[in-house]
Amino acid sequence: DVVMTQSPLSLPVTLGQPASISCRSSQSLVYSDGKTYLSWFQQRPGQSPRRLIYQLSNRDSGVPDRFSGSGSGTDFTLKISRVEAEDVGVYYCMQGARWPRTFGQGTRVEI
Amino acid sequence: EVQLVESGGGLVQPGGSLKLSCAASGFTFSTYSMNWVRQAPGKGLEWVSYISSSGSTIYYADSVRGRFTISRDNAQSSLFLQMKSLRDEDTAVYYCVRDYYIFDSWGQGTLVTVSS
Repeated sequence: DVVMTQSPLSLPVTLGQPASISCRSSQSLVYSDGKTYLSWFQQRPGQSPRRLIYQLSNRDSGVPDRFSGSGSGTDFTLKISRVEAEDVGVYYCMQGARWPRTFGQGTRVEI
Repeated sequence: EVQLVESGGGLVQPGGSLKLSCAASGFTFSTYSMNWVRQAPGKGLEWVSYISSSGSTIYYADSVRGRFTISRDNAQSSLFLQMKSLRDEDTAVYYCVRDYYIFDSWGQGTLVTVSS
């Protein structure tokens, strides 16, 4: 199975300041079609997960442009350019290149 | 608007069975693959099972293979998860998840508690 490793697991942030979460996979997430199947999800307290980013760097509809995804191969990053109060929650990376689908452990973002 | 509404969760004894349902609306259900993903209390996310749009391709996580069965009824826009031989470690919120570029839309979840 592809192991997804996130860091840090807890991220204290300051409103208006940037924040960054790292995710590393044990195998390349580049699929045979050339695309990188790495997604990022946000789970606010008491809510279902919500996808923010798919295929490495594509933002979902309605996701603020302060969120961005980058990386290549096995190393990936989710960046928040300026943290807002509504960004509090747990963030997960997930790989969709191989079966079984696997998630990172989650990074708790707190003010 | 995409809507996924899970139901069927509850309290069940170890070794028991339960069938979860997911009612889909707001999109053409028959053209999308679907998944079940679970989250144990206070823990992270775990993919459970996948079914293709036609139902011809199915995958399971090792932790549930042989005990859980995923199925769908495209005429009724519904997804199901039959769970048997339930264990304490199956206690979790179970989410129905659409598979447009992988896991794009999630339901609100239904809680399954396995306990004596």
